[in-house]
Amino acid sequence: GAVVSQHPSWVICKSGTSVKIECRSLDFQATTMFWYRQFPKQSLMLMATSNEGSKATYEQGVEKDKFLINHASLTLSTLTVTSAHPEDSSFYICSAKRDRGEETQYFGPGTRLLVL
Amino acid sequence: AQSVTQLDSQVPVFEEAPVELRCNYSSSVSVYLFWYVQYPNQGLQLLLKYLSGSTLVKGINGFEAEFNKSQTSFHLRKPSVHISDTAEYFCAVSDPSWGKLQFGAGTQVVVTP
Repeated sequence: GAVVSQHPSWVICKSGTSVKIECRSLDFQATTMFWYRQFPKQSLMLMATSNEGSKATYEQGVEKDKFLINHASLTLSTLTVTSAHPEDSSFYICSAKRDRGEETQYFGPGTRLLVL
Repeated sequence: AQSVTQLDSQVPVFEEAPVELRCNYSSSVSVYLFWYVQYPNQGLQLLLKYLSGSTLVKGINGFEAEFNKSQTSFHLRKPSVHISDTAEYFCAVSDPSWGKLQFGAGTQVVVTP
């Protein structure tokens, strides 16, 4: 159990367009989801924490108007990269917790974004 | 605030040899500790975790780790590696009250025949 999926697995877009990435918990309800980005050969950096039904909490330095996060249901969170630019190209990974008290995060397979 | 240091950026190892990946952390409060593995172009898979209790933790794929509070370490070991263990390994720490994960920089393990 505790499977998390992401869609799409990769996306190429033109500079200036917006891209939406979905993160789904397939076999459990996720009260909390997290969004990370990972540059090549680097570690994961937390972007934001998303709780179902409330506004996301962004980490310092992450532009909330640039990276829109919506956690509309207990199984779905979306990350929209608005007006994407080449510097937004990265590997975006989501994770989910089954409940707030749980200590383990379950990770999705990631989405590779390339902005031309 | 917590921080995690993975001392080795890359560890080459021969097939069937043992491997140890080092992880040290700093924190002013009690923390949970994790090891994750990432295969190329994939997400992270949990290998094992330490929450409390026995300091020796056994995980999947033959990995184990030992929590050492006095040395603030959580080193990962496997007695005999396979080619399929070639991957990036991340040590992570979380503050139970916040629930956020702080990752180390990662250690690339390359297993050769």
